[in-house]
Amino acid sequence: EDQVTQSPEALRLQEGESSSLNCSYTVSGLRGLFWYRQDPGKGPEFLFTLYSAGEEKEKERLKATLTKKESFLHITAPKPEDSATYLCAVLRGSTLGRLYFGRGTQLTVWP
Amino acid sequence: DTEVTQTPKHLVMGMTNKKSLKCEQHMGHRAMYWYKQKAKKPPELMFVYSYEKLSINESVPSRFSPECPNSSLLNLHLHALQPEDSALYLCASSQAGGRLKQDTQYFGPGTRLTVL
Repeated sequence: EDQVTQSPEALRLQEGESSSLNCSYTVSGLRGLFWYRQDPGKGPEFLFTLYSAGEEKEKERLKATLTKKESFLHITAPKPEDSATYLCAVLRGSTLGRLYFGRGTQLTVWP
Repeated sequence: DTEVTQTPKHLVMGMTNKKSLKCEQHMGHRAMYWYKQKAKKPPELMFVYSYEKLSINESVPSRFSPECPNSSLLNLHLHALQPEDSALYLCASSQAGGRLKQDTQYFGPGTRLTVL
């Protein structure tokens, strides 16, 4: 049973074309939702932690939001260097330390 | 500083070899993790050490043996691996092993392991 589902699986954007990535979750006792960026062959790079519904966080062209059932990663005016796989993960209260990852969204931004 | 370091970056080994992967963090974190990641898949949890004690073993084969000498260091000893064990091995650390809300895990760059 998938507890974390990311969509779309892949997304191609032209430079400057804003869009959003979705992460829906069905876990109970959420203790945190995390967004990571991963470049090929490298470790995931931490972007954001969200905890409370309604919470928003921003960093450069990225903005993450959280509701009770899903999170969005909004990318405003993306650049080619934003191309990467974006991973969403959740931390549950009953499973100490175990992150539940989605399958990721592979983003390609072309000039 | 949120840096987790891993050595080596690349490792090629035969099925009869014994090798070790090393991970280090100096953020004062009390939880450290080993993950395995195959191409185009999310990371899969292998082991969790919390306060230097093994708290989670995700039914990993005994040919993988973790060790936590102190709160800053984490090793993964490898022996008699199979070609299907070839993957990117990631180390991560967090402040408290999930005991705190929003306990963020920070990942290292990984070790690319190839088993011949």
